[in-house]
Amino acid sequence: AQSVAQPEDQVNVAEGNPLTVKCTYSVSGNPYLFWYVQYPNRGLQFLLKYITGDNLVKGSYGFEAEFNKSQTSFHLKKPSALVSDSALYFCAVRDRVGNTGKLIFGQGTTLQVKP
Amino acid sequence: ETGVTQTPRHLVMGMTNKKSLKCEQHLGHNAMYWYKQSAKKPLELMFVYSLEERVENNSVPSRFSPECPNSSHLFLHLHTLQPEDSALYLCASSQDRDLSTDTQYFGPGTRLTVL
Repeated sequence: AQSVAQPEDQVNVAEGNPLTVKCTYSVSGNPYLFWYVQYPNRGLQFLLKYITGDNLVKGSYGFEAEFNKSQTSFHLKKPSALVSDSALYFCAVRDRVGNTGKLIFGQGTTLQVKP
Repeated sequence: ETGVTQTPRHLVMGMTNKKSLKCEQHLGHNAMYWYKQSAKKPLELMFVYSLEERVENNSVPSRFSPECPNSSHLFLHLHTLQPEDSALYLCASSQDRDLSTDTQYFGPGTRLTVL
C-alpha cells in the first residue's frame, strides 16, 4: 500500500533561519509527490510537485523540495523563514492504482515561525 | 483566490436534516474531487469525477451523495448525517489531462457541524 509519513507534528523556527519540513513515502514504482500548505480557515494551496527530472523542485513562495530516492524522502525547505510561513503543511503522494487522481496525504506538520 | 469556490462556508445541521454543499471551479478543469478533513486525521478522498462521470467512490456511506451536473459544478448532498461526520469538506479540481500528474487546486472548504 502507498503511504506518506510526516514524522513531526510541529516544527518551530526563528524568522530568518532555514526551515525543513520532513516527508517520507512508500510507493510501488516511481512516486509522484506533492506539497500543499493550509492557512487557518482556508483550503489547501499547492506549493510544488515532483513528477520526474531534477531532484530539486522549486515552488511557490520561495519553497523547494528535494526528492531523494534512496532515502524515500521529499523534504520541504526554505532558506529563510518568514512569520507568514506559519501554517499547516501537507505532503502527499499520488495513488498510482487505478489512475483516479487520488492523493494520499500525510498527517500534516504545523510550522511555527517566531519573530 | 484559487478559482475554486465553495458554499456555504459554514453549515450546522441536525441529524435529520437534508442539505447540500456546492463547489464551483472557474479554471476550465475537467476533474473534480470531494475530500473530508477531520481533526487529527489525514485528508480522505471521498469522490472523484472526470468529465462528469464518477471514477472513484472511496467506500463512502450512502448518506453522502455526490452530483456533478457539468464540469464546473460539483455538489455533495447530505442526509441523516451523524455527529462524527462533522468535518471540513474540501472540493478540488484538476485539468484531467492525466489524473496521475495533474495538480489539484482546492477550494476554501465548508465547515460542517452535525448536532
